Amino acid sequence: DAGITQSPRYKITETGRQVTLMCHQTWSHSYMFWYRQDLGHGLRLIYYSAAADITDKGEVPDGYVVSRSKTENFPLTLESATRSQTSVYFCASSLTGLETQYFGPGTRLLVL
Amino acid sequence: SQQGEEDPQALSIQEGENATMNCSYKTSINNLQWYRQNSGRGLVHLILIRSNEREKHSGRLRVTLDTSKKSSSLLITASRAADTASYFCATGSNDYKLSFGAGTTVTVRA
Repeated sequence: DAGITQSPRYKITETGRQVTLMCHQTWSHSYMFWYRQDLGHGLRLIYYSAAADITDKGEVPDGYVVSRSKTENFPLTLESATRSQTSVYFCASSLTGLETQYFGPGTRLLVL
Repeated sequence: SQQGEEDPQALSIQEGENATMNCSYKTSINNLQWYRQNSGRGLVHLILIRSNEREKHSGRLRVTLDTSKKSSSLLITASRAADTASYFCATGSNDYKLSFGAGTTVTVRA
């Protein structure tokens, strides 16, 4: 019963590099979400997906790319990492989108 | 932009005391949810209250919702050291997205 997992848990990269954060859920939830959490800002939605092959922008999508070829996976890619993308990234899933969201443990990303 | 705004930003209480935190929001909602986050961990869902509900209970948690004032409160009764965490309100609208506030950090002193 894995639930929702994220990998890696910690990542250090350099400015300009491409980084992919992985998210996997075992519940077959339709909705998946990516958030970033920064001090003073709470959680801000980056992208979300209502189903496989359906994705949409959230509040802060610039510099990020997502895909959802399979229901259970929702990778987040930073195409060219910047220092401002240093943050903690959380993936979440939800059965209906309007109801409870279940969060992964987070990925701490440091961009040097 | 954040829809929910929690108040206070931080709260320190003695074990056994009650903790109350408030959330205000700006636009109409479908539901309002409260989440807890322990240090270094992901968020855990605590309770959901729908826009047509006024009060909801779950164990030691009591949530109220006043849609006319666009506000909600979370009460934790008989607090324990394990309640030390950050608490976030999140508003759900019909666009299937949640909007989170910046959170209230609660410290329960032994």
